[in-house]
Amino acid sequence: AQKVTQTQTSISVMEKTTVTMDCVYETQDSSYFLFWYKQTASGEIVFLIRQDSYKKENATVGHYSLNFQKPKSSIGLIITATQIEDSAVYFCAMREATGGYKVVFGSGTRLLVSP
Amino acid sequence: DTTVKQNPRYKLARVGKPVNLICSQTMNHDTMYWYQKKPNQAPKLLLFYYDKILNREADTFEKFQSSRPNNSFCSLYIGSAGLEYSAMYLCASSRDQGEVFFGKGTRLTVV
Repeated sequence: AQKVTQTQTSISVMEKTTVTMDCVYETQDSSYFLFWYKQTASGEIVFLIRQDSYKKENATVGHYSLNFQKPKSSIGLIITATQIEDSAVYFCAMREATGGYKVVFGSGTRLLVSP
Repeated sequence: DTTVKQNPRYKLARVGKPVNLICSQTMNHDTMYWYQKKPNQAPKLLLFYYDKILNREADTFEKFQSSRPNNSFCSLYIGSAGLEYSAMYLCASSRDQGEVFFGKGTRLTVV
């Protein structure tokens, strides 16, 4: 069964620095899709970025980028030039390609960005 | 428009009473999901519809029901609410192998 694990429960950084959040996953499938989401203070969960397992190039969207290490089953989220408004809970998620409508989430990492 | 809409935003229910939550999307997404979210926990998948086929998770199979009368609408039904059902309920949708889009949630409080 697919599983997603985020071991960092919280991270604190100073504004304008770079932060990396870790995520490891388990799957028997050779093809899968990985996602990162942000939960805002209001509770809303917003999609940020995705990585398809067959793509070797790391995805980048704005100041979000991914560190995809397939042999380690790892998909880290990197936020560069952090801003106060990046403070939120970040969730990693995975969908398998076969029978693949089920999306499973990790437990989240709380990021606090301080001025 | 990537909006998933949920009604109501807040719901107060009595123990033992039924609860019905509503969700809609106009993106023609083939899959609609219901997740339960409690503080400091991962969103927990309760069930999802792929087209007209309902898939319920084994550990919540008997606790939640759902219907999808058409592509745009999906409901979540709790027959008899217990205190442990107090949580945020998130509806979401996706198309094919795409990312999941979430609604703003319904905060259910059972008293």
